[in-house]
Amino acid sequence: QVQLVESGGGVVQPGGFLRLSCATSGFTFSTYGMHWVRQAPGKGLEWVASIRDDGSDYHHAASVQGRFLISRDNSRNTLYLQMDSLRVEDTALYFCAKQRGWLATDDLDFWGQGTLVTVSS
Amino acid sequence: SYELTQPLSVSVAPGQTANITCGGDNIGTKHVHWYQQKPGQAPVLVIYRGSHRPSGVPERFSGSISGNTATLTISRAQAGDEADYYCQVYDSSTVFFGPGATVTVL
Repeated sequence: QVQLVESGGGVVQPGGFLRLSCATSGFTFSTYGMHWVRQAPGKGLEWVASIRDDGSDYHHAASVQGRFLISRDNSRNTLYLQMDSLRVEDTALYFCAKQRGWLATDDLDFWGQGTLVTVSS
Repeated sequence: SYELTQPLSVSVAPGQTANITCGGDNIGTKHVHWYQQKPGQAPVLVIYRGSHRPSGVPERFSGSISGNTATLTISRAQAGDEADYYCQVYDSSTVFFGPGATVTVL
């Protein structure tokens, strides 16, 4: 069965950095687009970034552009999110999610349980 | 930027029908997806591409689009359907989620 397991969250000071990982199994990772979605405490879902199946194309939300970088290692079946220059407003539960197929318009058919990032001094 | 609008809350009596709307400019030209999120849990896909139901999702969940509004319908509502529901579309290399609607069954 499809499994997505995020890790790497924690408490960090403003201006600091973290690298999130999403280990996957149960599907052919290299043939699906992947996403990061976050949810601030008590708030709704906010898309963070997406990456194409082969890693050749990726996009980031305007709120994280220039500070976060999505990447993937298809040999390790793992998705990453490098987060630099963290701000208090980046505090959230970060989910990785699998795209149904290769179309950018596809839905997110499987989600991990999330890893919590807290940015605080 | 593309804006999606949803009601803040929807109340439904057990056994009755709940309609959760999602508004957006020319939304009928886009693939609309719906997610259910219960407290403390990850989102779960319940409808994709407007009206398609993933395996394992009860037939009581259905979706439709008309004009500038997409609708998620929960028929014969049950207590276990209480959750936040988010619509989602893709536009100009960006994924957009609606603000979410809280469904209460009472």
